[in-house]
Amino acid sequence: AQSVTQLDSQVPVFEEAPVELRCNYSSSVSVYLFWYVQYPNQGLQLLLKYLSGSTLVKSINGFEAEFNKSQTSFHLRKPSVHISDTAEYFCAVSVSQGAQKLVFGQGTRLTINP
Amino acid sequence: DTEVTQTPKHLVMGMTNKKSLKCEQHMGHRAMYWYKQKAKKPPELMFVYSYEKLSINESVPSRFSPECPNSSLLNLHLHALQPEDSALYLCASSQVLVVDTQYFGPGTRLTVL
Repeated sequence: AQSVTQLDSQVPVFEEAPVELRCNYSSSVSVYLFWYVQYPNQGLQLLLKYLSGSTLVKSINGFEAEFNKSQTSFHLRKPSVHISDTAEYFCAVSVSQGAQKLVFGQGTRLTINP
Repeated sequence: DTEVTQTPKHLVMGMTNKKSLKCEQHMGHRAMYWYKQKAKKPPELMFVYSYEKLSINESVPSRFSPECPNSSLLNLHLHALQPEDSALYLCASSQVLVVDTQYFGPGTRLTVL
């Protein structure tokens, strides 16, 4: 069965510092990976995804993640964070059964301090 | 338009009430989902509809009854809920035949008294 582990439940960083949110997955079949962000009292928004092709994927707001098959990881990084990045971040793996089934990690709470 | 809308935003109900949550999308997606999210936890899949037919039921209690009346609408009928059912209920939609993004609505915050 597919599963996702987010190793850090909370990550506090100072504004303009770099950050890495870690995600490891287990899967015996083709891997499709996602990072979603959830701001307070909102639904989930897609941040970025790996479906195939280039292993380095980027979002429009400066985040990037690299699919590493040998280490079964899909860590999320940003070189310089802003206060507005404060949110909950979920890593997810997709199990395709006709319609998709997303399996989420436990989430990482990113807190940016001024 | 990549918007999934959900109504109502907030709902408070007693354990004997019957209520419904509604979800709508106009992206032409033929897969629609209901998730339940408790505070400080990830979303948990409840139901999946594919081409308006129920394809996945994650062993959800029968007091939750989903309905997909057409390709744009998804309902969740609630009856005789328990206080532990209080949560954020999220709707999502996606394409069916390819693995791609699930688009989430803002959710309905449900409180059961």
